[in-house]
Amino acid sequence: EVQLVESGGGLVQPGGSLRLSCLGSGFTFSRYAMHWVRQAPGKRLEYLSIITSNGDSPFYADSVKGRFTVSRDNSKNTLYLQMRSLRVEDTAVYYCVKDQGSGTFDYWGQGTLVTVSS
Amino acid sequence: DIQMTQSPSSLSASVGDRVTITCRASQVINYFLAWFQQEPGRAPKLLIYAASSLQSGVPSRFSGGGSGTDFTLTITSLQPEDFATYYCQQYNTYPWTFGQGTKVEIK
Repeated sequence: EVQLVESGGGLVQPGGSLRLSCLGSGFTFSRYAMHWVRQAPGKRLEYLSIITSNGDSPFYADSVKGRFTVSRDNSKNTLYLQMRSLRVEDTAVYYCVKDQGSGTFDYWGQGTLVTVSS
Repeated sequence: DIQMTQSPSSLSASVGDRVTITCRASQVINYFLAWFQQEPGRAPKLLIYAASSLQSGVPSRFSGGGSGTDFTLTITSLQPEDFATYYCQQYNTYPWTFGQGTKVEIK
């Protein structure tokens, strides 16, 4: 059974940093691109980032470019999202998502809540 | 960015009803369109990919159609577990984008 378990969310002050982790199991982690998607309270889903299976060529949405960095450690089956210069508007549930192999997402983690507030 | 617009934003329906949700893209996205179901407090679940392909394990009462810019999600014979919010998503052009969601409520 495919499982994605995020961790690292919490309360942080504006301007602060946080690192999210996502541990994958039940599939060959190193073979798949991985994504981050977030959802602010009551809002639509927002696509943030993709990292290829070998960690090359990450893509970032404009809203997080230059502040967030995606990485992965295939030896640990773990995906990361380093978030810096956090803003109030970054408050959301952050989901780690597995690429289906043909472009969209087939499995989502349970999400981790990030709250940016003073 | 490609804008995805769903209609309606919400609807009320009864168990057994046939429901159709529409999604329109601001540019041609070919067939690179997925549909997700999200229950309150839960992660989204993939229902349909490539506009009309049913994800493994998803009941056959769900179906998708369309290409280019206009797409539909149809639920035949709505079941109690289908009351949720549905999102379309394009994966033709980065950044991938989602519709605003359609909330299906019990009449």
